Amino acid sequence: SQTIHQWPATLVQPVGSPLSLECTVEGTSNPNLYWYRQAAGRGLQLLFYSVGIGQISSEVPQNLSASRPQDRQFILSSKKLLLSDSGFYLCAWSIGTSGYTDTQYFGPGTRLTVL
Amino acid sequence: GNSVTQMEGPVTLSEEAFLTINCTYTATGYPSLFWYVQYPGEGLQLLLKATKADDKGSNKGFEATYRKETTSFHLEKGSVQVSDSAVYFCALSVVGGTSYGKLTFGQGTILTVHP
Repeated sequence: SQTIHQWPATLVQPVGSPLSLECTVEGTSNPNLYWYRQAAGRGLQLLFYSVGIGQISSEVPQNLSASRPQDRQFILSSKKLLLSDSGFYLCAWSIGTSGYTDTQYFGPGTRLTVL
Repeated sequence: GNSVTQMEGPVTLSEEAFLTINCTYTATGYPSLFWYVQYPGEGLQLLLKATKADDKGSNKGFEATYRKETTSFHLEKGSVQVSDSAVYFCALSVVGGTSYGKLTFGQGTILTVHP
């Protein structure tokens, strides 16, 4: 069966420091991968998605970047964190079948607090 | 563009009460519809889904019917339990093209069930 991992679970970082959040998926190949941010404990905003190694699409301009160095690894980064980057970051995957909509499965999330 | 509108919360019920959370959508193309649930401090879990008009998704006593004529996907449960307390998200995804399974979420509805 497929599983998705995220780490760290929680993170407290000072403003201006770098960030690296990691997401890995097991039990599937060539998944579509997604990064979401949830602010104020409610709505979800899609930040990035990837349909293959090295292929990243950004949904909104921001202080963050994403990379996919391996098929089942998705990394969210920042060179200098802002207070507004605080939030709950969720990684998700779906079956990577071109043109077919399938269910997204979410990881446990990372709680980021920028002070 | 695509959008999802959920009823405003929070919703507070007594145990064994009937639950309805309204969800309506607008979409270009033929959407699949989803309900996700988020328990405190956790990631999102798929609760149920429907992929075409008149389909009924069901899971753990929850049900929702894909109503194309009213563009709705209301979530219902006949008898809620304290353990159902969570945030519920309605979402859609449009098949095909370059959608890559991207989800459009509603703003979420907080449900609290009291004993």
